[in-house]
Amino acid sequence: AQKVTQAQTEISVVEKEDVTLDCVYETRDTTYYLFWYKQPPSGELVFLIRRNSFDEQNEISGRYSWNFQKSTSSFNFTITASQVVDSAVYFCALLPVKAAGNKLTFGGGTRVLVKP
Amino acid sequence: GAVVSQHPSRVICKSGTSVKIECRSLDFQATTMFWYRQFPKKSLMLMATSNEGSKATYEQGVEKDKFLINHASLTLSTLTVTSAHPEDSSFYICSAPKGGGRAGTDTQYFGPGTRLTVL
Repeated sequence: AQKVTQAQTEISVVEKEDVTLDCVYETRDTTYYLFWYKQPPSGELVFLIRRNSFDEQNEISGRYSWNFQKSTSSFNFTITASQVVDSAVYFCALLPVKAAGNKLTFGGGTRVLVKP
Repeated sequence: GAVVSQHPSRVICKSGTSVKIECRSLDFQATTMFWYRQFPKKSLMLMATSNEGSKATYEQGVEKDKFLINHASLTLSTLTVTSAHPEDSSFYICSAPKGGGRAGTDTQYFGPGTRLTVL
């Protein structure tokens, strides 16, 4: 069985602060993909990143960065110099490669509120 | 730009009526699509997998006769909430996997969601 845990339900920061969202996953599969999605107040989930289980390189995209640590089964997401537009719910998700039909397992989500 | 569209974005209906929600992949074909339900401040709950050319696969606890799914073409899946009741009010989201070409490697792209309110 797969499981994704996002322990932080809500984080509130002031603009320009950095914020790190934790994601811990469980799977017996050796090959899998991890994802982060952003869900702004409009409701549409926006794809942010996909990471292969064999690629532990950290990735940076603008103000976003991701830290994948296979040894601790974690895939944390950091927003640097947060902005009000970053206010959203962020979901971490797991996709085992052997899973039939591309079924994603989602974490509970972390609500980020960036105050001006 | 958006790769998955969903229509309508919002619908209000009376109890007992049926509501159809459409999900389209815009620039790619999808032999499978997924339907999720999301309650306020909660995560996404997978309802079913829509399969082109065959029956949908429902998750445990989801009523097949209540939530009818039809994968009419390689770019269109529909979810019909039959005889809707207030407890069916929710945010319904569809998704379609794109890329990869191999099972388990695709990235799922999500539609903008449909907010259903049953009075």
